[in-house]
Order: sequence, then structure tokens, then C-alpha cells
Amino acid sequence: QKEVEQNSGPLSVPEGAIASLNCTYSDRGSQSFFWYRQYSGKSPELIMFIYSNGDKEDGRFTAQLNKASQYVSLLIRDSQPSDSATYLCAVNESNTGKLIFGQGTTLQVKP
Amino acid sequence: GAVVSQHPSWVICKSGTSVKIECRSLDFQATTMFWYRQFPKQSLMLMATSNEGSKATYEQGVEKDKFLINHASLTLSTLTVTSAHPEDSSFYICSARDPRGLATTYEQYFGPGTRLTVT
Repeated sequence: QKEVEQNSGPLSVPEGAIASLNCTYSDRGSQSFFWYRQYSGKSPELIMFIYSNGDKEDGRFTAQLNKASQYVSLLIRDSQPSDSATYLCAVNESNTGKLIFGQGTTLQVKP
Repeated sequence: GAVVSQHPSWVICKSGTSVKIECRSLDFQATTMFWYRQFPKQSLMLMATSNEGSKATYEQGVEKDKFLINHASLTLSTLTVTSAHPEDSSFYICSARDPRGLATTYEQYFGPGTRLTVT
């Protein structure tokens, strides 16, 4: 059973701080890794994807990938209350291309 | 990013009736679409993969005769919940794979979801 693991949280950070969200996966053949943001009652929204080891930055968001450790993370700099949501880590399944989702981490940014 | 629409956004139906949900890719052609279900406080559960021009591939435990999927064109997939029961009440979300990205990245973009309530 291929798995994606996330700490369900909630992760609480003060406004302006850096929020660090982590994800581990079991499928060593996975090539692509995604972070989705889901507000309560809404569908997931793609924030970033990464497929090479290292860091990928987009505005306040940085995705980090370490394939040797099977670890993906998302950093949110200068966190805002509007960043409060559930963040889903998704990993492509190597033999099918389907996405395997983690349970999500709830982030709370307090003013 | 790519735009995916879903219709209706919410629906209430009586037990025993059927409900059809549409998923459209608006600015790209999607050969592959996916249907998910999400219960409150839970993560997404993949129900089936919808391929244009061929039969859908259902995940283990999903009844294909109850959840009928049709992907008749490159921009439209439909999910029909047949003989709906209260336990089918859930948030149904479709996604479409954007073929314009790299072949290995498999980005999926989600529709806004359909909230189904069966009374």
C-alpha cells in the first residue's frame, strides 16, 4: 500500500512567521510532488509542484524535495491569516500516474 | 493554472433517485479526468479515473454500476449517482490532468466540487 503521511495538526503560527509543513511518502518511484490548499467547504487548489531534488520558490511559498529521504516540505513565509487552511500533500503513483493524497495538515495563522 | 468547472455546485435529491454531475475542462482538452469523494474532516478518496473514449477505471470498493462515469468528449466527464441513498451524501470533486505540462508532472486541477445531499 503506497502511502503519503502528514501530521494532521493543527499547526498554529503567529502572523508573519514561517509555517513549515512536512510530508513523507513510501513510493520510491514517484516523480512528481504536489501541494494543494483546501479551505473549509471548498475544493483543493494547486499551490506548487516539484519534481527535482532541492528547493523551488514561488512568492511566499517554497517547496523542498529530498527523494533520498522520501520527504517533501512546504514553507510559507510571512504567514497571513488568509493562509489558514488544510494543506494536502500529493504524490504521483509511479506505475499509474494517479495522485496519492495525504490526510492534510491544518494550518492556523493567528493575527 | 487550468480551469475546471463542475455543475451543479450543490444538489438535494430524494432517496432512490439518480443525480448527474458534470465536469468540464474550460481552457484545455483533458484526456484524463478523475472523480473523488470527500467526507467531512477526511481527505480525498479517488473513486475512478475517467478516460476519454474508453471505460472508466474504478478504484477497489467503488461500485461501477452505482457510480456511472461517461467521458464522451475531451472537455466533459459526467458522474451519475444511481439510486442514491443517504450514505451517498458527500462532497464530489472532479479533477482534470493538464496535458500541456511536462509528461512526468501529472498536474491535476480540481473543479469547485458538488455537494450532494440525499434525503
